[in-house]
Formats: sequence, C-alpha cells, structure tokens
Amino acid sequence: DAKTTQPNSMESNEEEPVHLPCNHSTISGTDYIHWYRQLPSQGPEYVIHGLTSNVNNRMASLAIAEDRKSSTLILHRATLRDAAVYYCTRKGNAGNMLTFGGGTRLMVKP
Amino acid sequence: DGGITQSPKYLFRKEGQNVTLSCEQNLNHDAMYWYRQDPGQGLRLIYYSQIVNDFQKGDIAEGYSVSREKKESFPLTVTSAQKNPTAFYLCASSVGLAGYNEQFFGPGTRLTVL
Repeated sequence: DAKTTQPNSMESNEEEPVHLPCNHSTISGTDYIHWYRQLPSQGPEYVIHGLTSNVNNRMASLAIAEDRKSSTLILHRATLRDAAVYYCTRKGNAGNMLTFGGGTRLMVKP
Repeated sequence: DGGITQSPKYLFRKEGQNVTLSCEQNLNHDAMYWYRQDPGQGLRLIYYSQIVNDFQKGDIAEGYSVSREKKESFPLTVTSAQKNPTAFYLCASSVGLAGYNEQFFGPGTRLTVL
C-alpha cells in the first residue's frame, strides 16, 4: 500500500509551533518525502522535501524518523496565513508522484 | 513571470461532450502532470509526461486523454467516457521525474458537467 496517513485536522494558536505528523510505513529506500499545502480553490504549493536527514528551509522544517516510516512537518511560528490543508506524499525516482492522501487541515487561531 | 497557467478557471459543459483543458508552463520543465481533486479529497494522478511526445497513465486515466506535442503545453481532454467528470483539475510541472524534484502547480480549472 503506497498511502501516507495523516490526521484529518489540527488546531494551533498563532505564533506557536505546529508539528504535523505523517506515517508512511511502506516507504521504499529511494522515495523522497514531500510536503505541500493548499488553500481553498488554489493549486497546492510546495513546502519542503527530504530523503533521510532533517531539512530546513525558509518555510518549515522536516524531521524524518530514523526508520523513515514517519515524518513531521514543523512550522516554527504559525501565522494566520499558514491555515491550509497540508499534504504529505512520497515521490520515487521511477516516475510519477504517488497519490496525495486526504491531508491535514490546519486551523490557526488568533 | 515564470509559472503555470491553466485556462479557463471555470468551465461548464453538457453531458456527453468532450472538453479540453489547457495547461501551459514557461519554466522550461521536462515533466508535466494532471491531477483531479474532488471536494474534500486529496489529489489523484490522471496522466504524466516525462518528455515531449511521451506520456504515461496515472491512477485514474480512464475517460481522459492527453497530448504532449510541445514542451510547454500538456492539454487534457475529458471525454464522454468519463463517468463523473465534475471536479477540480490541477496541472503541475517539475524539472524532471526524479524523487527530489518538487512540483509546481497551476491555479486549477473547475469543470462542471451539467
């Protein structure tokens, strides 16, 4: 099964850190873990990706478990503009992007 | 401004008619993709193309067709064989198909079949 599993929704207070979990227990050794986010009626926006090591960029951090069966997207200080649906997915070198699951709807309270 | 354009933003068609959705990119990307999204659901891959004149079926290709005659363009035709075509359609592109290549998405076309 190539699915990733994420909680349906999470809530955070503005300016607090947010940890969004993802399980990908059947991931293969060459699959990259990608995160995207989507606002209503818009196309998804790339957030971050990684293979084995933890990754940081201007938007977020990605913490990957040592066995690679799970990962966590970290938003260090949530803002109202971070409210979106966050998708965790896997992408192998063989070709197409694997199917996006239902994602996690993040709500940010002022 | 580099990016992906999809047109039109909203499209209405009668049942039984074929309809073609446009996708253009000026990012000089080799790979392009089409996804379908139903309300409250994630994205499902319809077709993808690694290079001009080559494309592969994704998870839900039945009732759809594509062409890739130019690097910049990857139009999707929704045929009358597609049982439930009303959905939000998203086009994306990436430098290549490698796992480390992130995808860039267009704004989407919302198709409603009456």
